[in-house]
Amino acid sequence: NAGVTQTPKFRILKIGQSMTLQCAQDMNHNYMYWYRQDPGMGLKLIYYSVGAGITDKGEVPNGYNVSRSTTEDFPLRLELAAPSQTSVYFCAVHGAGELFFGEGSRLTVL
Amino acid sequence: QKEVEQNSGPLSVPEGAIASLNCTYSDRGSQSFFWYRQYSGKSPELIMSIYSNGDKEDGRFTAQLNKASQYVSLLIRDSQPSDSATYLCASSTGNQFYFGTGTSLTVIP
Repeated sequence: NAGVTQTPKFRILKIGQSMTLQCAQDMNHNYMYWYRQDPGMGLKLIYYSVGAGITDKGEVPNGYNVSRSTTEDFPLRLELAAPSQTSVYFCAVHGAGELFFGEGSRLTVL
Repeated sequence: QKEVEQNSGPLSVPEGAIASLNCTYSDRGSQSFFWYRQYSGKSPELIMSIYSNGDKEDGRFTAQLNKASQYVSLLIRDSQPSDSATYLCASSTGNQFYFGTGTSLTVIP
């Protein structure tokens, strides 16, 4: 039982490149979230999903896109990467009254 | 804007002492409150949740909630060096969660 799995764990991108951060859960919960965490800062919500086919914007959605075709997967797409998107990205699943986090994906844009 | 405010610290306490972490929130509609511990380079992990006014104890940890004052606290008794981490306070309304910026705690052996 892996819980919440994120890939890749580390990635370096050049300005203007695109990539997808993967998030998969085996907990069978509907609510999934993408957060970013900058140094010394709290978690900022990028996008969330209440179930397959339904997504919505959070506090900081600009520069990102998501999709949710299955209950298990919630990928986060970065288009035209910018240095401001250098951050640690956490995927989370809401179940049993709490958030369960993946291990995080550390992204650097140079 | 639903905000959760924490003193960023750093907070240093000697081993064996009580560490006190505080948090305020702006949304009176918040229903649930959480304390997450985050070690450097790791993901947050839940250590306490509290839903009603008063105290909730779990081992060395006690969470306190005062909805009238919109205030949440976490007490760590008999602090250990392994408690050194950043502690994130969070509130939730429905399925939305809001996080503070975290308080850095160092327990000095």
